[in-house]
Amino acid sequence: ETGVTQTPRHLVMGMTNKKSLKCEQHLGHNAMYWYKQSAKKPLELMFVYSLEERVENNSVPSRFSPECPNSSHLFLHLHTLQPEDSALYLCASSQTENYNSPLHFGNGTRLTVT
Amino acid sequence: QKEVEQDPGPLSVPEGAIVSLNCTYSNSAFQYFMWYRQYSRKGPELLMYTYSSGNKEDGRFTAQVDKSSKYISLFIRDSQPSDSATYLCAMKETSGSRLTFGEGTQLTVNP
Repeated sequence: ETGVTQTPRHLVMGMTNKKSLKCEQHLGHNAMYWYKQSAKKPLELMFVYSLEERVENNSVPSRFSPECPNSSHLFLHLHTLQPEDSALYLCASSQTENYNSPLHFGNGTRLTVT
Repeated sequence: QKEVEQDPGPLSVPEGAIVSLNCTYSNSAFQYFMWYRQYSRKGPELLMYTYSSGNKEDGRFTAQVDKSSKYISLFIRDSQPSDSATYLCAMKETSGSRLTFGEGTQLTVNP
């Protein structure tokens, strides 16, 4: 059982819908991340939170809106998405947001935008 | 040009074979090198973690870093069907949180 839990596992939404992805980590980590994984592409970092403060926003369109209410929970709010946003969205956590702190990933939410 | 190049495969080998997975990179500032394993419908999990050049061994797995050639490798000895997964290389500079991943290599070990 992974220490990082993501819900839902699968999500199908229309372009006009609003939905949210949820991530919870049970590892006592201080940093949390959202990554996008598309077929035939490397993992793309979207957002980084350290101690509930956003420290990086990697040029992500505003239709993706993250929220980190505390160090254990991370949300990704979605609205007016495009079909090219269909991908596996991975949440990760690490002890700290620095170079020698390995990432622990959840199992992802498979998002399909119709 | 991609910052990290990794052959996506797919790579198919018989059980017991020695597997060699590789990545090349262009950023000479990378100091920390990792290999993640991702099973189907799962998130990536950290497999090996090395700093700078040299070898690191963990059971059947050996990670090798050659900074002069900007080349890293993961060797799997006595490969098992349970090793079938996608293997992602990742690397990081000494500062900052950005981790740069390769595309991943899909490996199948056939019984």
